[in-house]
Amino acid sequence: GENVEQHPSTLSVQEGDSAVIKCTYSDSASNYFPWYKQELGKRPQLIIDIRSNVGEKKDQRIAVTLNKTAKHFSLHITETQPEDSAVYFCAASGYSTLTFGKGTMLLVSP
Amino acid sequence: DGGITQSPKYLFRKEGQNVTLSCEQNLNHDAMYWYRQDPGQGLRLIYYSQIVNDFQKGDIAEGYSVSREKKESFPLTVTSAQKNPTAFYLCASQQGANTEAFFGQGTRLTVV
Repeated sequence: GENVEQHPSTLSVQEGDSAVIKCTYSDSASNYFPWYKQELGKRPQLIIDIRSNVGEKKDQRIAVTLNKTAKHFSLHITETQPEDSAVYFCAASGYSTLTFGKGTMLLVSP
Repeated sequence: DGGITQSPKYLFRKEGQNVTLSCEQNLNHDAMYWYRQDPGQGLRLIYYSQIVNDFQKGDIAEGYSVSREKKESFPLTVTSAQKNPTAFYLCASQQGANTEAFFGQGTRLTVV
């Protein structure tokens, strides 16, 4: 089955800095790669996703890049703000279920 | 107001008792999922159902059971065979594979 590795497990940045979270996957058949944000005590919510026919996607301060050859994808957050503090999960999916990484706790200090 | 609802938010049970967690959605989604979330472990798939009256085991199905008698409902039973049931349980639904997963607010189960 699919295996998704996510790094780092924690990331501390100063407000205004950029943050990068990286994931690798094992199944070359995976073709959908979403990122979820989970604030403390709340449900995970989709923040951005990318499909295998696209190399990069942006939405305001967040962007995701995908390298299918190397089987890795990354989340980039620019101009971080305290409200970006949360746990971020990457995931990969082929034709049935999502496999999630173990999560990255992002702490943005004012 | 469309969404996915889990109940209860907190649940306490004695060791050896079965307990059922509720999950209801009004998004008209075909697929529903149960995940277990433990600190530092991410979301691990317990069971999923892609159509009414059919479901499949996920990665950590031992000690759990589910049913899918209605499209809107996918209850999870944590049985006494589950060795370490204390965890945060999340239900999710998707319209189909490779689409956005919508999560419920979760149920925190504590077994004492």
